[in-house]
Amino acid sequence: GQSLEQPSEVTAVEGAIVQMNCTYQTSGFYGLSWYQQHDGGAPTFLSYNALDGLEETGRFSSFLSRSDSYGYLLLQELQMKDSASYFCAVRNRDDKIIFGKGTRLHILP
Amino acid sequence: DSGVTQTPKHLITATGQRVTLRCSPRSGDLSVYWYQQSLDQGLQFLIQYYNGEERAKGNILERFSAQQFPDLHSELNLSSLELGDSALYFCASSPHPGTVDNSPLHFGNGTRLTVT
Repeated sequence: GQSLEQPSEVTAVEGAIVQMNCTYQTSGFYGLSWYQQHDGGAPTFLSYNALDGLEETGRFSSFLSRSDSYGYLLLQELQMKDSASYFCAVRNRDDKIIFGKGTRLHILP
Repeated sequence: DSGVTQTPKHLITATGQRVTLRCSPRSGDLSVYWYQQSLDQGLQFLIQYYNGEERAKGNILERFSAQQFPDLHSELNLSSLELGDSALYFCASSPHPGTVDNSPLHFGNGTRLTVT
């Protein structure tokens, strides 16, 4: 089968750094994506990794290790507006884009 | 604004009924995806269409069906509704099927379905 595992919740302090992990098991692999979803809102794309290593976009970085079937999203200089759910997603060989259940990020002032 | 339009925003209906959810993709996007999100759950992949043809199928119930029309808008039909079908239904679009490129999905604001 195919599955993605993410911690259900993470809590961090404003201004700090937080890492949210994702492990996956899928038939075929075409890359790991991350999406952000605020309560009541639509998911929005954050980043994509097809190859091993770190991709950086401003305060957001995403890492992938294909050999470990593992990735993470790193958020720096946390702001209150970063409070949201974060989903990892993989595209498999059947062209299905499968999402994890998401990590809800709580930020304390 | 993602450019993806979903209607209606809210839908309240009774068990046993049938409803149709509509999605217009971003201009130029040929792929449409449907997802179901229940309370505190992730996004469950239902079905994908590309340029009018079914491309991939997920855990979509037999009571559910979808299609993509020549103008590329898509409709998701839910019939014999049950209480458990209450959820947020998202449509997303991308230019191509994923195996051509890895363009991100652009999501609409969803249709919140409540079955009473």
